[in-house]
Amino acid sequence: AQSVTQLGSHVSVSEGALVLLRCNYSSSVPPYLFWYVQYPNQGLQLLLKYTSAATLVKGINGFEAEFKKSETSFHLTKPSAHMSDAAEYFCAVSRYNQGGKLIFGQGTELSVKP
Amino acid sequence: NAGVTQTPKFQVLKTGQSMTLQCAQDMNHNSMYWYRQDPGMGLRLIYYSASEGTTDKGEVPNGYNVSRLNKREFSLRLESAAPSQTSVYFCASSGGDTQYFGPGTRLTVL
Repeated sequence: AQSVTQLGSHVSVSEGALVLLRCNYSSSVPPYLFWYVQYPNQGLQLLLKYTSAATLVKGINGFEAEFKKSETSFHLTKPSAHMSDAAEYFCAVSRYNQGGKLIFGQGTELSVKP
Repeated sequence: NAGVTQTPKFQVLKTGQSMTLQCAQDMNHNSMYWYRQDPGMGLRLIYYSASEGTTDKGEVPNGYNVSRLNKREFSLRLESAAPSQTSVYFCASSGGDTQYFGPGTRLTVL
């Protein structure tokens, strides 16, 4: 069975500091991996995705993530946090042969301090 | 394009009442999904539809039914609402490996 674990339900950084949100997955077959962002009272928006091409994936708003098969990880990073990055972030996994069904992690709320 | 739309935005029900959450997409996607979001649990799949005319259970289907009315519309019905169904409900659609989400329906069951 697939699962996703996000380490840390709350992460707080200062404006301009590195953002690192951790995601580990388990999957018996090569997965597709996604990061979504949710701003308050809104739906989810895709940040980036890994679908077995390049292991370093660049997304919107300066975010990127690296797929590391040996560590079963897909951590999300951004070199310099901005106040507008404050939101909840979800890591998700799917399998190419399961009709696109997503398994989500529990989410990490990112706070950015001025 | 409106993308994925959901109605209503907010709803309060009493235990035992029924209601239908509506979802529509204008992206000509084959697949549609219903999720619920609860604090600390991420999003969990309730039901999905891989194409018009087909539906299948997800992780938490108990207490819900769905109808894929046509390619655009996918509704979620609560026949007899329970307080445990208090949640935020999201509809999504997909034409490939990426899902696009609606703005959500916040449901409270008293």
